[in-house]
Amino acid sequence: QSVLTQPPSVSGAPGQRVTISCTGSSSNIGAGYDVHWYQQLPGTAPKLLIYGNTNRPSGVPDRFSGSKSGTSASLAITGLQAEDEADYYCQSYDNSLSASNYVFGTGTKVTVL
Amino acid sequence: QITLKESGPTLVKPTQTLTLTCTFSALSLSSSGVGVGWVRQPPGKALEFLALIYWDNNKRYSPSLKSRLTITKDTSKNQVVLTMTNMDPVDTATYYCAHRDQRRGHFDYWGQGTLVTVSS
Repeated sequence: QSVLTQPPSVSGAPGQRVTISCTGSSSNIGAGYDVHWYQQLPGTAPKLLIYGNTNRPSGVPDRFSGSKSGTSASLAITGLQAEDEADYYCQSYDNSLSASNYVFGTGTKVTVL
Repeated sequence: QITLKESGPTLVKPTQTLTLTCTFSALSLSSSGVGVGWVRQPPGKALEFLALIYWDNNKRYSPSLKSRLTITKDTSKNQVVLTMTNMDPVDTATYYCAHRDQRRGHFDYWGQGTLVTVSS
């Protein structure tokens, strides 16, 4: 049902760099709408991680970075830490012929080996 | 500090109507660009956008659920209410309300969520 596709899982050893892709289309990311990223720890509400494609809210470590190109976006985590083990979701806005609304990605589980 | 909190029934029967209330503080739904939305998450599954209401009373609904959803706001009470009709067991999920930032359209503050189970 989601119009934004993410890999189901990624993993890495502590200290490594991992990236999560978010693939959309010409009606959402490709149309120029911003991409935002959220981290969800088990049993908790989502937390804003990146907004406006590349911006980190206050308090988010600079190990987290976002990028966007064409119809896709990516979240990178450098210097992976055990506390980064969580689910990650991208979010954007979709403006198709039939409707316009907010959309989330399919979600990616990050495992720290 | 902006806070949001969801309230409503934890258990509803199939075919019933669900009414959830989001009560917030330290935010003004009268400010240009601001919105409050609802997002749900079935157990073990992804986040799903449901509905959002803007400061000017414009609304956005998930296309797949639009016929079942109604979102309203009561600015004087600092509340946003979501109703979902004809509930089904597949609607069992944690329901979150969240604040839409007026600058870039992201959800920067979230409630803790409320688990709603649909069962007879």
